[in-house]
Amino acid sequence: GESVGLHLPTLSVQEGDNSIINCAYSNSASDYFIWYKQESGKGPQFIIDIRSNMDKRQGQRVTVLLNKTVKHLSLQIAATQPGDSAVYFCAESGNFNKFYFGSGTKLNVKP
Amino acid sequence: DTAVSQTPKYLVTQMGNDKSIKCEQNLGHDTMYWYKQDSKKFLKIMFSYNNKELIINETVPNRFSPKSPDKAHLNLHINSLELGDSAVYFCASSQDGQGPLANYGYTFGSGTRLTVV
Repeated sequence: GESVGLHLPTLSVQEGDNSIINCAYSNSASDYFIWYKQESGKGPQFIIDIRSNMDKRQGQRVTVLLNKTVKHLSLQIAATQPGDSAVYFCAESGNFNKFYFGSGTKLNVKP
Repeated sequence: DTAVSQTPKYLVTQMGNDKSIKCEQNLGHDTMYWYKQDSKKFLKIMFSYNNKELIINETVPNRFSPKSPDKAHLNLHINSLELGDSAVYFCASSQDGQGPLANYGYTFGSGTRLTVV
């Protein structure tokens, strides 16, 4: 099946710095991508999505970049805060009803 | 009001037992899912129901049987529990989208931590 992977299993950043979490996917037919945030003891929470007809989408303090040529996705978090500490997943889909999740990156924000 | 609620939150049981996990969503979503998250945080889809119809059934042992009495509920029954079934099970729901700007993101429950001893 499709695989979605992350380059860095753990990322530590200083509070106030920008964070970049990367994700690689292998299915070139995937056309919809989502980033989720999972805090300890909770379910994953939707952060931002992007379709394959876009290469960038911005939300509040977050930006997702999509490079279809190299099948790469990234999540940028501006001015990282302690509340951003969590595990972040990318998920990709080719039909909207079935998503494949990456293995997750743990973000540690140091005060 | 919790959007997607699962019960129980924790479940400890012995090998060979049969157990059920319940899920309810009050979002009016059309599709519901069960995902399994292992100890390495990897999330894998198990089942998906759309308006009570099974639409995704991944390679899951037939000891796992989902049941959707209505589109707001999706329960998971597990027979003859094994040690390898220990994991966190997440229920999720999503709305069928309309238009190019539709958001197909899931709303997840808070998970059921199943421990088989």
